[in-house]
Amino acid sequence: DVKVTQSSRYLVKRTGEKVFLECVQDMDHENMFWYRQDPGLGLRLIYFSYDVKMKEKGDIPEGYSVSREKKERFSLILESASTNQTSMYLCASSLNRGVYEKLFFGSGTQLSVL
Amino acid sequence: GQQLNQSPQSMFIQEGEDVSMNCTSSSIFNTWLWYKQDPGEGPVLLIALYKAGELTSNGRLTAQFGITRKDSFLNISASIPSDVGIYFCAGQLHNYGQNFVFGPGTRLSVLP
Repeated sequence: DVKVTQSSRYLVKRTGEKVFLECVQDMDHENMFWYRQDPGLGLRLIYFSYDVKMKEKGDIPEGYSVSREKKERFSLILESASTNQTSMYLCASSLNRGVYEKLFFGSGTQLSVL
Repeated sequence: GQQLNQSPQSMFIQEGEDVSMNCTSSSIFNTWLWYKQDPGEGPVLLIALYKAGELTSNGRLTAQFGITRKDSFLNISASIPSDVGIYFCAGQLHNYGQNFVFGPGTRLSVLP
């Protein structure tokens, strides 16, 4: 089975801190995604990447950036954390850009910004 | 971004009962995925559907890709306490490349 690993399950940060969320997948998937999940709002796409060093904005990229230096690793960066970025962050990956794909998620990082 | 409609929002059932839930949209989809999410965890893929009319099972779970390609259904038979969680659907749009859209989820509670 595909394994998508997020480095932290829980994080508590202060307003203004720079925050790094790391995600690694072990199945040589081309595509990787970052979502945030909030009650009543569902899953919203922040950024995604189809290849190393490539990134595309999702629906809510403001306040975030990403880095993909290696195929297996996709990092989400909060340059200056704010309280409205308190959320569950989910990393996901899929094999390639085909039209019949499966999306696999990590266990999530619950981020609290105080 | 676009979201799917999912119903019911929540349901309370007795252990042993069967459960049905569905996802609908005004758009045509290539792929439907069904997930289960436990509190504080990431979603786990249950079933993937790729063809209109397709019926696929995974143990006590059965899902169907609607004929119109605009909806999908998930059934759980003989529910047990560990079925508790949030079930949500995801669809890959016909012309939206690799990105998926998600339903808001159905929260299932199983009473002993």
